[in-house]
Amino acid sequence: DTEVTQTPKHLVMGMTNKKSLKCEQHMGHRAMYWYKQKAKKPPELMFVYSYEKLSINESVPSRFSPECPNSSLLNLHLHALQPEDSALYLCASSQSLVGRGTGGTQYFGPGTRLTVL
Amino acid sequence: AQKITQTQPGMFVQEKEAVTLDCTYDTSDPSYGLFWYKQPSSGEMIFLIYQGSYDQQNATEGRYSLNFQKARKSANLVISASQLGDSAMYFCAMSPDHNTDKLIFGTGTRLQVFP
Repeated sequence: DTEVTQTPKHLVMGMTNKKSLKCEQHMGHRAMYWYKQKAKKPPELMFVYSYEKLSINESVPSRFSPECPNSSLLNLHLHALQPEDSALYLCASSQSLVGRGTGGTQYFGPGTRLTVL
Repeated sequence: AQKITQTQPGMFVQEKEAVTLDCTYDTSDPSYGLFWYKQPSSGEMIFLIYQGSYDQQNATEGRYSLNFQKARKSANLVISASQLGDSAMYFCAMSPDHNTDKLIFGTGTRLQVFP
């Protein structure tokens, strides 16, 4: 079972709203990721959590705030977004960061399509 | 610098035919992993196949195989017996061993399968 779930599937928000994206995996993976993907472009890494600790922040604006309440859950809190933040937001998980082989394979969720008005 | 290059923005293939999607990479790391993902219009990135740099044999997963030519730094994806459901964007990605938390993606190839 390689399922990563994300809610909501679609989100429309105004620039003054506060909303959250949620991601959940039940594969026992210890690394979780947030990506942003604009149309016709590859995904861009935003944040990485390893063992529930933030290990990478790719210089993401503070209007995006990640949270990892436990090893299965990953949230992305959104506040005061701009229209250019409209994109597909993908969550992924992997068994671990360390080691080779398929243990480092990232499995993605279906994404949340975010529109900022 | 690590880089993935996919030179085919779009490819067409007839149903039941085989198709090869090109991917070349650049890295100075001796150890790395190579991945292919499929992204249908629905948006989900679906993991297809993995090849480790030290793997002696080319990876295969069902109709997918990876033609790994280390000296040429290429990792082409071969899809045999194409199906209409194979129409999607395909991304090649690399994870250098010294930085295993990052996937470096290519720009993708859009594959369209026609009847």
